[in-house]
Amino acid sequence: QLQLQESGPGLVKPSETLSLTCTVSGGSISSSGYYWGWIRQPPGKGLEWIGNIYYSGSTYYNPSLKSRVTISVDTPKNQFSLKLKSVTAADTAIYYCARRGTMAVAGLDYWGQGALVTVSS
Amino acid sequence: SYELTQPLSVSVALGQTARITCRGNNIGKKNVHWYQQKAGQAPLLVIYRDINRPSGIPERISGSNSGNTAALTISRAQAGDEADYYCQVWDSSTAVFGGGTKLTVL
Repeated sequence: QLQLQESGPGLVKPSETLSLTCTVSGGSISSSGYYWGWIRQPPGKGLEWIGNIYYSGSTYYNPSLKSRVTISVDTPKNQFSLKLKSVTAADTAIYYCARRGTMAVAGLDYWGQGALVTVSS
Repeated sequence: SYELTQPLSVSVALGQTARITCRGNNIGKKNVHWYQQKAGQAPLLVIYRDINRPSGIPERISGSNSGNTAALTISRAQAGDEADYYCQVWDSSTAVFGGGTKLTVL
C-alpha cells in the first residue's frame, strides 16, 4: 500500500523559506506515468494546488505562486520536496503531498496526512 | 485562468439523495475528479474522470459531467457522508479546485 508522509518545521518566520519533504513508501517515485505534488489548505478554507513534479524533474506550478515555489525530487531517497520563499501569514496552512495517478485515473489518488505550517514571528 | 464554482452548502435528509454541482466553462470537455474531505482528515478521491469510482468507494456515490455542469450524486445518504466535497480539473497541466461544498446530512 502506497503511503506518503510530510515532514518539516511547523513554524516559519515571516520572510523566511518554508521547506517540506514528502517521503513515499510502498512504491517507487520513479514509476512511469505518476506525478507528485503539493496542495495546501489554509485553516477553514478550501484546497489550493501548489505544483507537481515528475521523477525526471519536469515541474508545473500554480501561476499565482510560481515566483516563490520550487519543487524538487530525490529519487534515491524516494522523496520530493517543496520550498516556498518569502512567506507571510497568508501562507499558514496544512500542506499535503499527493500523487497524481496515470492518465487512466488522473486524479490525486494518494495523499499524505498533511503538515500544519504556521508563519509567525 | 479556469474557474470552478460549487455551492457553499448542500443539505440532505438521511436516506435521501444529494446532488453537488460544479460549474465551469465547457466543463463537459474536461475530466472532473471529486474528493471527499471529512473533518480533520486528508481529502479522499471518490470519483475520477467524471464517472469512475476508485476501489472501496460505494456505488451510492456517482458522477456525471455534461455541458457546463459536473455533478456528484450521493444516494441513500448516511451520516458518514457528511463532509466537504471538492471538484477538480486539470487545465494546461495545472490543477484547479472548486471552492468546496459542505454536505450536511439531516
